[in-house]
Amino acid sequence: AQSVAQPEDQVNVAEGNPLTVKCTYSVSGNPYLFWYVQYPNRGLQFLLKYITGDNLVKGSYGFEAEFNKSQTSFHLKKPSALVSDSALYFCAVRDKDDYKLSFGAGTTVTVRA
Amino acid sequence: DAGITQSPRYKITETGRQVTLMCHQTWSHSYMFWYRQDLGHGLRLIYYSAAADITDKGEVPDGYVVSRSKTENFPLTLESATRSQTSVYFCASRETGRFTEAFFGQGTRLTVV
Repeated sequence: AQSVAQPEDQVNVAEGNPLTVKCTYSVSGNPYLFWYVQYPNRGLQFLLKYITGDNLVKGSYGFEAEFNKSQTSFHLKKPSALVSDSALYFCAVRDKDDYKLSFGAGTTVTVRA
Repeated sequence: DAGITQSPRYKITETGRQVTLMCHQTWSHSYMFWYRQDLGHGLRLIYYSAAADITDKGEVPDGYVVSRSKTENFPLTLESATRSQTSVYFCASRETGRFTEAFFGQGTRLTVV
């Protein structure tokens, strides 16, 4: 079985400050990890993914994520947040031998001007 | 237009009625998925399909039926709608290949009264 936990329902930061959205996962084998973003009344948009290799993954809109195998974490980061980054963020995991994604409950990010 | 489209975007129906949500993708992706999004639960997988005529249950399949006679279409039917099926429904598709990410439709907001 595979699962994802996003321990924070909400994250609030000031514009220009660093943004971190936390994610931990559980899979039986090697994980494939993903971050998606959802803007109001829109579908989910892919941000980035970790498959293998470098633990720091760079994605769209200046986001990056750090894979930590020992802590089973895949935290999303952005060095300098923008008001336009305010959205709902989902972490997802897929076991390498499976083809369906399991999602976390989501974290609402609010960036204040 | 290229991509994945869902219809309708919004639907209000009465308890006990049959409702079908449509999903169409133009990429010829092998895999297709239906998720429902509910506050506090994130996205939960209802059904998925690995190819035409191949479907399987996800996490919350009860009360739903799917079919996939053509690669590009993956309709979701609520046989007898209940209020607990009020939700936002997302369709997604993904290429064959272990490392590929899923792409999501805009969603259908279904209200059962």
